[in-house]
Amino acid sequence: GESVGLHLPTLSVQEGDNSIINCAYSNSASDYFIWYKQESGKGPQFIIDIRSNMDKRQGQRVTVLLNKTVKHLSLQIAATQPGDSAVYFCAERSTGFQKLVFGTGTRLLVSP
Amino acid sequence: GAVVSQHPSWVICKSGTSVKIECRSLDFQATTMFWYRQFPKQSLMLMATSNEGSKATYEQGVEKDKFLINHASLTLSTLTVTSAHPEDSSFYICSARGVVGGHQETQYFGPGTRLLVL
Repeated sequence: GESVGLHLPTLSVQEGDNSIINCAYSNSASDYFIWYKQESGKGPQFIIDIRSNMDKRQGQRVTVLLNKTVKHLSLQIAATQPGDSAVYFCAERSTGFQKLVFGTGTRLLVSP
Repeated sequence: GAVVSQHPSWVICKSGTSVKIECRSLDFQATTMFWYRQFPKQSLMLMATSNEGSKATYEQGVEKDKFLINHASLTLSTLTVTSAHPEDSSFYICSARGVVGGHQETQYFGPGTRLLVL
């Protein structure tokens, strides 16, 4: 079911550093994964997705890695910028199911 | 990129009134639309899933008579919060699932509607 948390884990980085945000999932039947970025007061914004037949996918400044063996997903952001500061959510979905299951989210703080 | 709009972006209403929120997919047809609720510093909580032309499927604990969902077309879904009370104050976000530009079918979110019930 949906994850609920009172305190978001926070990752603080310096501008220009690379950021790695991690996500663990529990459903071994999940075959589609998405990373979303949510800025304060806004809806989640699609960043990148990956299907379970891949273990890596790259976008512009972002890379998603999928390790199905340990059910782990990560989002790497290269040369992090202050504009990357937001809450990042991973989401998973299984074939035949319509709804996404969201992780608790990680707050990324980028200082200049 | 895919655009999902919501209207209004924020609304303040008196307790007991009903509020309608619209969600539109602007540049693609949404096979399925979803409604979420989000409390501060928390993840998104799915309220219901709706397919065009059929009744919405509500998540456990969500009152279907309280949160009326209509999905009349492939680009429009509405959520009506009936007889709103202060505990209904929240950030409501819709999401639309569809294929954009020949890419993998995925799910895009609207900007959210902040509801404050006095």
